Amino acid sequence: ETGVTQSPTHLIKTRGQQVTLRCSSQSGHNTVSWYQQALGQGPQFIFQYYREEENGRGNFPPRFSGLQFPNYSSELNVNALELDDSALYLCASSTGTSYYNEQFFGPGTRLTVL
Amino acid sequence: AQSVTQLDSHVSVSEGTPVLLRCNYSSSYSPSLFWYVQHPNKGLQLLLKYTSAATLVKGINGFEAEFKKSETSFHLTKPSAHMSDAAEYFCVVPGYSTLTFGKGTMLLVSP
Repeated sequence: ETGVTQSPTHLIKTRGQQVTLRCSSQSGHNTVSWYQQALGQGPQFIFQYYREEENGRGNFPPRFSGLQFPNYSSELNVNALELDDSALYLCASSTGTSYYNEQFFGPGTRLTVL
Repeated sequence: AQSVTQLDSHVSVSEGTPVLLRCNYSSSYSPSLFWYVQHPNKGLQLLLKYTSAATLVKGINGFEAEFKKSETSFHLTKPSAHMSDAAEYFCVVPGYSTLTFGKGTMLLVSP
């Protein structure tokens, strides 16, 4: 069974650019959540997708957007990058939206904004 | 709103000695609580979870945690540290569709 994978591993962008991060869910999982982890902080919830629909959103501006595809893989898009967007972006998949459904995390994408 | 506070940013222990990582929670009702571990360059992994059943919860790798409502605490313990336990540990309170993480405690284990 393949776990959650994310691509790319590392990414460097400049302020104002746009970026797309990708996540492949664990087999059999229909729910994907995205988190931002700044250096020295715990992960912060960005949003969750369930069966291709957004199912909850944290305190992030609209320039953070996402997609979930029919195979349950997902993308996180960030427009108009700012220096504070530099962080580790984590994707987690689960078999449902309840917290009883364990979230399995990928290794993350490290984004640096210069 | 629910939140968690991890009382120590770093904890240093020697291999073979006990581990104590402290977490206090704030909630208007009895919450569920989790502990996650993050090893370098690896994904976060669920260590254990409390969901209002037994207050003493056993997790993987010999870790356990006790939910104490009177102290609003959910401290993580292990009787004997191993070098492989060196990692960052997060206390987490789940909500609808989301997990709220504490700031983390880095556990350092010396030989």
